This record gives sequence, C-alpha cells and structure tokens, in this order.
Amino acid sequence: QKEVEQNSGPLSVPEGAIASLNCTYSDRGSQSFFWYRQYSGKSPELIMSIYSNGDKEDGRFTAQLNKASQYVSLLIRDSQPSDSATYLCAVQNYGGSQGNLIFGKGTKLSVKP
Amino acid sequence: DADVTQTPRNRITKTGKRIMLECSQTKGHDRMYWYRQDPGLGLRLIYYSFDVKDINKGEISDGYSVSRQAQAKFSLSLESAIPNQTALYFCTRGLREKLFFGSGTQLSVL
Repeated sequence: QKEVEQNSGPLSVPEGAIASLNCTYSDRGSQSFFWYRQYSGKSPELIMSIYSNGDKEDGRFTAQLNKASQYVSLLIRDSQPSDSATYLCAVQNYGGSQGNLIFGKGTKLSVKP
Repeated sequence: DADVTQTPRNRITKTGKRIMLECSQTKGHDRMYWYRQDPGLGLRLIYYSFDVKDINKGEISDGYSVSRQAQAKFSLSLESAIPNQTALYFCTRGLREKLFFGSGTQLSVL
C-alpha cells in the first residue's frame, strides 16, 4: 500500500515566521511531488510542484525534495494569516494506476497575527 | 477552479436512493477524476477517466459508477446511497500530472 504521511497539526506559527510542513512517502519509485493548499470549505489548489532533489522556490514558498530519505517539505517564509489553511502533500508514481496522485491527509497551518 | 463546474453544490438524500453528481470542464482536457474527502481520511480516488472510452476504478470504487458522456462531462452515480457515503466529493480535471479541482459537492446520506 503506497502511503503519504503528514503530521495533521495544527501547526501554529506567529505572523512573519517560517512555517515548515513535512511529508514522507513510502514508494521509492515516486517521481513527482506536489503541494496543494485548501482553505476551509474550499477546494484544493496546486501551489508547488517539484520533480528533482533539492530546493525549488516560488515567492515565499520553497519546496524541498530528498528522494533518498523519501521526504518532501514546504517552507513558507514571512507567514501571513492568509496562509492559514490545510496543506496537502501529493505524490505520483508513473508506474501502477497510470500515475495517479496519492494524497496525504494534510497538515493544518494556523498563522497567528 | 471556475472551469470545473460541479452540480449540485449540496445534496441531502435518503438511504437507498439513487443520486447523480455532475461535472463539466471547459478546458478540453482528457483526464477527469472523482475524489471524495472525509475528515481524517484525506482525499481518496473513486474513478478516473483518461478519455471518453477509458474509465478506470480508483481506490474506493465500490458503490459508485461513472459515465463519461463527452470529453467535457464526467458524472458520478451512487446507485443505492448509504450513510457512509456522506462526504465532500470533488471532480477534477488533469493537465498531465497536475489536478484542478471543482468547488465540490457536499453529500449527506440520511
């Protein structure tokens, strides 16, 4: 059973701090990795994708991937109250199930003013 | 995502009833998916379709069926609804490996 694990939180950080969200996955053959943000009562939206080891930066967001450790993280710099949401990690393996995404259960982030 | 439209937004039904959730997309993408989201269980794949003639079961397809009436339309049916099918249902379109979600349908089965 392929699994994606996230700490459910809630993770609480003060405004302006760095929020660090972590995700581990079980399938070593996974090749594509995504972070989705879901505000309460809304649908998930894609915010980051990463495909190779290392860091990928997009504005205040940095995704980090370490395939050897089967670990993906999302850093949010200068956290704002508007970043308060649940963050879903998703992993794709191009093998079985035609490469469908497997989602973690999400980490709830709360940014306090 | 405004280009994935789900109807209805909310639905309350009774055990044993047949219900259909509808989804349409305006981007012309081949890939469409149905997920359900439950508190504590995350998003789970019900069915997916890579083409009008290509329908595949996902992780939790029992009790559900789908129809891909056209490239733009992908509907999900519950033949005989049961209370543990109470959940938030999302239809998505896929551009390669990236998913774009509709607004969701909150279904309650009493």
